[in-house]
Amino acid sequence: GENVEQHPSTLSVQEGDSAVIKCTYSDSASNYFPWYKQELGKRPQLIIDIRSNVGEKKDQRIAVTLNKTAKHFSLHITETQPEDSAVYFCAAYSGSARQLTFGSGTQLTVLP
Amino acid sequence: ETGVTQTPRHLVMGMTNKKSLKCEQHLGHNAMYWYKQSAKKPLELMFVYSLEERVENNSVPSRFSPECPNSSHLFLHLHTLQPEDSALYLCASSQGGLAGATDTQYFGPGTRLTVL
Repeated sequence: GENVEQHPSTLSVQEGDSAVIKCTYSDSASNYFPWYKQELGKRPQLIIDIRSNVGEKKDQRIAVTLNKTAKHFSLHITETQPEDSAVYFCAAYSGSARQLTFGSGTQLTVLP
Repeated sequence: ETGVTQTPRHLVMGMTNKKSLKCEQHLGHNAMYWYKQSAKKPLELMFVYSLEERVENNSVPSRFSPECPNSSHLFLHLHTLQPEDSALYLCASSQGGLAGATDTQYFGPGTRLTVL
């Protein structure tokens, strides 16, 4: 089945700096890669996603890049703000397994 | 937020108890999911229900039993649980059935379960 690895597990940045979180996946047939943000005590919420037919997608301060050849994708947050502090999860959808497989999460802390 | 609701929000039970978790979605979606979220571990998919069929993760113990009476309601029946089953149980829904599994999944707030 699909295996998703996420790094780093914790990340601290100064307010205004950029943050990058990386994920790798194992199933070359995976074709959908969402990113979820989970604030403390709250539910995970989708912040951005990318499909395998594009290499990059941006939404204001958030961007995701996908390298299908290397089987890795990354989340980029620019001009970080304290409210960006949360746990971020990547995921990959495998058509063969018919399910989303999640990474283990990254605790992002933005220091004021 | 009222899109996906879960009750109860917190549950403490003994290993011999029987309890049920409830999930309801008000989004008109066709697929619903149960996930287990343990500390320091990835979200684990337990069950998927869609219009077409139920998909099970074969690693889920039989002490967890799902029920989906209609497209808006999902239950997780619990019996003779173990302390290692303590976790946050999240329900989610998405627009498509299994064929639309790349649709955005909307999560409920979760049930924090503690097994003594």
